[in-house]
Amino acid sequence: KAGVTQTPRYLIKTRGQQVTLSCSPISGHRSVSWYQQTPGQGLQFLFEYFSETQRNKGNFPGRFSGRQFSNSRSEMNVSTLELGDSALYLCASSGWTGPNTEAFFGQGTRLTVV
Amino acid sequence: AQSVTQLDSQVPVFEEAPVELRCNYSSSVSVYLFWYVQYPNQGLQLLLKYLSGSTLVESINGFEAEFNKSQTSFHLRKPSVHISDTAEYFCAVSSTGNQFYFGTGTSLTVIP
Repeated sequence: KAGVTQTPRYLIKTRGQQVTLSCSPISGHRSVSWYQQTPGQGLQFLFEYFSETQRNKGNFPGRFSGRQFSNSRSEMNVSTLELGDSALYLCASSGWTGPNTEAFFGQGTRLTVV
Repeated sequence: AQSVTQLDSQVPVFEEAPVELRCNYSSSVSVYLFWYVQYPNQGLQLLLKYLSGSTLVESINGFEAEFNKSQTSFHLRKPSVHISDTAEYFCAVSSTGNQFYFGTGTSLTVIP
């Protein structure tokens, strides 16, 4: 069974640009969540998509957005990049059946904003 | 509201010595607790989880965690660590949907 695949693994962007990150969940999983990981703030929840609908949203500005396709693949977009957006972005896939369901994480996309 | 506090940011320990990584949680609803491990340049991997039932939870690689409701704790322990256990460990509590509240992490360094 293939794991969670995130592409690209590494990305360098300039301030003001926008970026799109991709996440392919485990086959059969309909829930995809996104997290931002930084040394200062740790792991912070961005949003969750379940069956193409955003079900939960963290406390991030509107520059951060996402979507989920009918095959459960998800994309995350960040517009007008700032230096502080440099982080490891992790995607978590879940065959969610309740809050007791574990999540499977991808290896992440390392975004560097210069 | 839900939150997790990991009391130690760094824990150095000698190889084959025991270790305890501390985690305290706050939750106003039913509690589901998890420990994840992150190796360098990798995503998070599930180590173990507490859902209900027995308060002692074990993983396949020798780690165990005990759920203590009165002390709102879920400390992770291993009786004898190996070099390969060097990693970042995160305690987490789950919420509605596929959403976890993570602690700030504990960096475990095993010294030869």
